[in-house]
Amino acid sequence: KAGVTQTPRYLIKTRGQQVTLSCSPISGHRSVSWYQQTPGQGLQFLFEYFSETQRNKGNFPGRFSGRQFSNSRSEMNVSTLELGDSALYLCASSSSGSYGYTFGSGTRLTVV
Amino acid sequence: AQKITQTQPGMFVQEKEAVTLDCTYDTSDPSYGLFWYKQPSSGEMIFLIYQGSYDQQNATEGRYSLNFQKARKSANLVISASQLGDSAMYFCAMREGEAGNNRKLIWGLGTSLAVNP
Repeated sequence: KAGVTQTPRYLIKTRGQQVTLSCSPISGHRSVSWYQQTPGQGLQFLFEYFSETQRNKGNFPGRFSGRQFSNSRSEMNVSTLELGDSALYLCASSSSGSYGYTFGSGTRLTVV
Repeated sequence: AQKITQTQPGMFVQEKEAVTLDCTYDTSDPSYGLFWYKQPSSGEMIFLIYQGSYDQQNATEGRYSLNFQKARKSANLVISASQLGDSAMYFCAMREGEAGNNRKLIWGLGTSLAVNP
């Protein structure tokens, strides 16, 4: 079966702009989590969506937001981009009752 | 305080030898799960192995085994018969609480493993 698909793979944006990243989970998976990975901070949890509802949220400013659609696809949005938002953004999908998380290949965002 | 500690920023191992990557964790929740992931230079996180806090036996998956010492709060990954393709970053992660309502993973900073031919 198809894995977790993240688009785009690479993105270059200018400070102050906004960006939307997309994540399509494995078919049947209703939970989608987002993580930010930077060399300095490592992997940090952004938020998790389950059945179109945000279930958990990490410690990020309000410029980071997300949503999930009825087909479980999820998007995350970052407004007013800062240089420090440059990172690899990973999403993971999982199914209820399963301990496992399957990750996508990530979107590498560079803010210039 | 760090909840997941990986004390080895970098490790080297000869091909075909075994290597142990260290991970210690800190939680007061009696129910938790421990994960190891591999991240090659392509960026994708590849699941390797899982250990639940109530699991009686150490987890094994092919060449990967997890040395789970609950009292010491350690969950070391053992890779047997290393291969060149094992060269990557390795991350230890923890989920606190039951999996049903909490999908948040807490991560260590990783260990870079290089397998020498």
